[in-house]
Amino acid sequence: KAGVTQTPRYLIKTRGQQVTLSCSPISGHRSVSWYQQTPGQGLQFLFEYFSETQRNKGNFPGRFSGRQFSNSRSEMNVSTLELGDSALYLCASSLLSTDRGLSGANVLTFGAGSRLTVL
Amino acid sequence: SQQGEEDPQALSIQEGENATMNCSYKTSINNLQWYRQNSGRGLVHLILIRSNEREKHSGRLRVTLDTSKKSSSLLITASRAADTASYFCATDETSGSRLTFGEGTQLTVNP
Repeated sequence: KAGVTQTPRYLIKTRGQQVTLSCSPISGHRSVSWYQQTPGQGLQFLFEYFSETQRNKGNFPGRFSGRQFSNSRSEMNVSTLELGDSALYLCASSLLSTDRGLSGANVLTFGAGSRLTVL
Repeated sequence: SQQGEEDPQALSIQEGENATMNCSYKTSINNLQWYRQNSGRGLVHLILIRSNEREKHSGRLRVTLDTSKKSSSLLITASRAADTASYFCATDETSGSRLTFGEGTQLTVNP
C-alpha cells in the first residue's frame, strides 16, 4: 500500500509569507502527527490530529496551525514566516491503539518530509 | 524539550563491527521505540520495546531497556555501509500518546 505522502518536497519562501504543507496518510490510518526537525532543536512535536480533531499540541506559537479533513488528509500552515522556521517538516500517520483494540504503542510511519527554506 | 538524550552524538565504525547507541529519558514511559533516518528523509520505525520488557531482538538489532535507570541501548551487529544513518529513540508516557524523540546518534559505517 502507498506510504505517507507529503507535498511539496521542497519550497523556498521569504520572511512574512505563509506556507501550507500537505500530508496524505496511509490508507486506514486516522491519526496524523506533524514534527519540525532542525539541526539545533532536533525533532519537535507540532500537533496531532485524529478524526478531524486536534488531540495534542506542541509548544509552538499560534502562527503554526493545522487541520485534518474527513479523508484523514492533513495540512499544516505557517503564517508570517520567520528565518527560524526553516526546517524539515515531517508528517507521520499511525493507527491508534484504540483502532486496533489493543493497548499498545503509537508506531509512526513517516513521510519523506517537506524541506522549507525561508529567506 | 527533548525527552531523551542519546549517546554518543556521532559514531564511526568499520563494516562488520558492532555499533551500540544509548538513550536516556526522564519520565516514566509506556514503551520505547527506535527509528532510523537516512539523510534528509523521513524516519523509519525499527523496533519497539515495552516497559515490561528487558530485551528484544529483530534481525541484526538488539534493544535493551532498563526502566530503573531510564535508559535503553540499540545494538546493530555486523554493521554494513547501508546502516549509515541517524538513529533516534522515542518514548511515549502513556499508551498511544504522542512520541517524544531523542536528539539522535549519527552512525557512519565505513566500507
